[in-house]
Amino acid sequence: GGIITQTPKFLIGQEGQKLTLKCQQNFNHDTMYWYRQDSGKGLRLIYYSITENDLQKGDLSEGYDASREKKSSFSLTVTSAQKNEMAVFLCASSIEGTGCTEVFFGKGTRLTVV
Amino acid sequence: AQKVTQTQTSISVMEKTTVTMDCVYETQDSSYFLFWYKQTASGEIVFLIRQDSYKKENATVGHYSLNFQKPKSSIGLIITATQIEDSAVYFCAMLRTGGYKVVFGSGTRLLVSP
Repeated sequence: GGIITQTPKFLIGQEGQKLTLKCQQNFNHDTMYWYRQDSGKGLRLIYYSITENDLQKGDLSEGYDASREKKSSFSLTVTSAQKNEMAVFLCASSIEGTGCTEVFFGKGTRLTVV
Repeated sequence: AQKVTQTQTSISVMEKTTVTMDCVYETQDSSYFLFWYKQTASGEIVFLIRQDSYKKENATVGHYSLNFQKPKSSIGLIITATQIEDSAVYFCAMLRTGGYKVVFGSGTRLLVSP
């Protein structure tokens, strides 16, 4: 088995601040994802990466940057934190993008902007 | 573009009964995968079951089964003999074959009472 570790679990930032969320997986999965979940809502894809150094924009990429310098890690940067983007950010991974396997999720980073 | 819709916001059932959660999807693709995930109160998201679009037989895993109606673009999740620990939010998702972008619905909250 493997695990996806997201750090930090809780992140408090000031409005306008640049904030970075980190994700590590030891599944040796090729594809990694960042989703945002607003309170009581579904998951919206921010960025995904199909291999090291690859980045693909999701539906919600504006205001975010991502980085995949190693196969095992995928970071997300909030370029200028806004109060309306307080949410839980979920990192996920899968072996490949063919749908043959499920997506595994981390436990999330809860972002609060003050 | 793909879209997944879950119209039931929440469902309440008594323990040991059977519940069905609805999900309809939109896609232009002829081959795709459909998934159901469960999010517990702790926020953890786990994969439950998958249906491949080319398979006519409904998938079954434990006390979870699917009602796949391809002409209606519908993939219902059926939970038989519900237990208290089935109380959670259930997300429907889809992925086109060869794609990487998993699209989620907004979720259905299930409450199982004793």
